[in-house]
Amino acid sequence: DAKTTQPTSMDCAEGRAANLPCNHSTISGNEYVYWYRQIHSQGPQYIIHGLKNNETNEMASLIITEDRKSSTLILPHATLRDTAVYYCIAPSWGKFQFGAGTQVVVTP
Amino acid sequence: DAGVIQSPRHEVTEMGQEVTLRCKPISGHDYLFWYRQTMMRGLELLIYFNNNVPIDDSGMPEDRFSAKMPNASFSTLKIQPSEPRDSAVYFCASSLVGGPRGTIYFGEGSWLTVV
Repeated sequence: DAKTTQPTSMDCAEGRAANLPCNHSTISGNEYVYWYRQIHSQGPQYIIHGLKNNETNEMASLIITEDRKSSTLILPHATLRDTAVYYCIAPSWGKFQFGAGTQVVVTP
Repeated sequence: DAGVIQSPRHEVTEMGQEVTLRCKPISGHDYLFWYRQTMMRGLELLIYFNNNVPIDDSGMPEDRFSAKMPNASFSTLKIQPSEPRDSAVYFCASSLVGGPRGTIYFGEGSWLTVV
């Protein structure tokens, strides 16, 4: 797996956009970037993934830099239920290894 | 569709006892993963299978741990003998397509306490 680096924690005000950065400078050309989140006591939940182009779904947007060395997950209007640990992963051949992730706390 | 189903959801056992955790992947998925999560070590990949064959077991902590996948719809993770340090949440996950495009889906986990 390409090594990913994320901030340990970040706070976000409810209703505001949350921008979660991830560095993956050693990513190879065919490795996708995946984002998962884990709400306390639950199994990790898939959010979004991408290769080169920016992606958007009902949960979030993913912005990948042109050189693919970093990406940003955007939660457009954070709610209290978005409080979770967010993981950025660049798996090689199906091997998903999770780092420490970013603890996001959404405050009223 | 039913998601990944794990059992038991909670288990408390005494040190030295055998523990068997079970997993039913999403129907049609060809990759199955076992993870362990603790506060100290985070979410660790223990082993994963492709078409019922173990591909990488480098994360299995020691010989006390073993995993099998006898068919496409069932897998077990066994700990024998169990020790207090094995207390953790064990997650099973599955995916349809392997490689970099395979999104994995997790079960709710099996909470193991060894006393």
